[in-house]
Amino acid sequence: DVKVTQSSRYLVKRTGEKVFLECVQDMDHENMFWYRQDPGLGLRLIYFSYDVKMKEKGDIPEGYSVSREKKERFSLILESASTNQTSMYLCASRSSTPGQGNYGYTFGSGTRLTVV
Amino acid sequence: GQNIDQPTEMTATEGAIVQINCTYQTSGFNGLFWYQQHAGEAPTFLSYNVLDGLEEKGRFSSFLSRSKGYSYLLLKELQMKDSASYLCAVGGSNYQLIWGAGTKLIIKP
Repeated sequence: DVKVTQSSRYLVKRTGEKVFLECVQDMDHENMFWYRQDPGLGLRLIYFSYDVKMKEKGDIPEGYSVSREKKERFSLILESASTNQTSMYLCASRSSTPGQGNYGYTFGSGTRLTVV
Repeated sequence: GQNIDQPTEMTATEGAIVQINCTYQTSGFNGLFWYQQHAGEAPTFLSYNVLDGLEEKGRFSSFLSRSKGYSYLLLKELQMKDSASYLCAVGGSNYQLIWGAGTKLIIKP
């Protein structure tokens, strides 16, 4: 089974802090994604990466950056945390090559971040 | 624009059947996914439809009509553990998933 591991389940940070959220997958997948999930809004894509050192902006990249130095690791960075970034953050890895059948995502267990 | 609609909340009784609908308007279509998400946990994959028709997997079935932009997830013999949110997602023209806001399903004894 594909495993996607997020380093923390719960985090509390102060406004203005730089925050790192780590995600590691163990199945050699090229594609990785960062989402945030808020009640009533569903999953919103922040950034994604098709391969090492590649990154693309999603729908809501403002206030975030990412790093993909190794294939298995995709990090989300909040440059200066703000209270409106309090949310559940979910990392995902793509399970197969698009166009070749089921290409659904496998998610990590999520990080609930509170910015105070 | 791209849009996926599903009911916000549904209530059903243990042992009964419930159908959760999803309608979509997207610029491309590369399959429709259903995910289950228990409170405070990550979404987990339930089903994938790329052709019209019904896909059955145990107590869960998923239906797709591409011409109508419509899908449903059918849950039979409901159990208390089925209380969760159910997320509908469509693979768009670039194969990225476009997500609905989810349907919270409440099961009552």
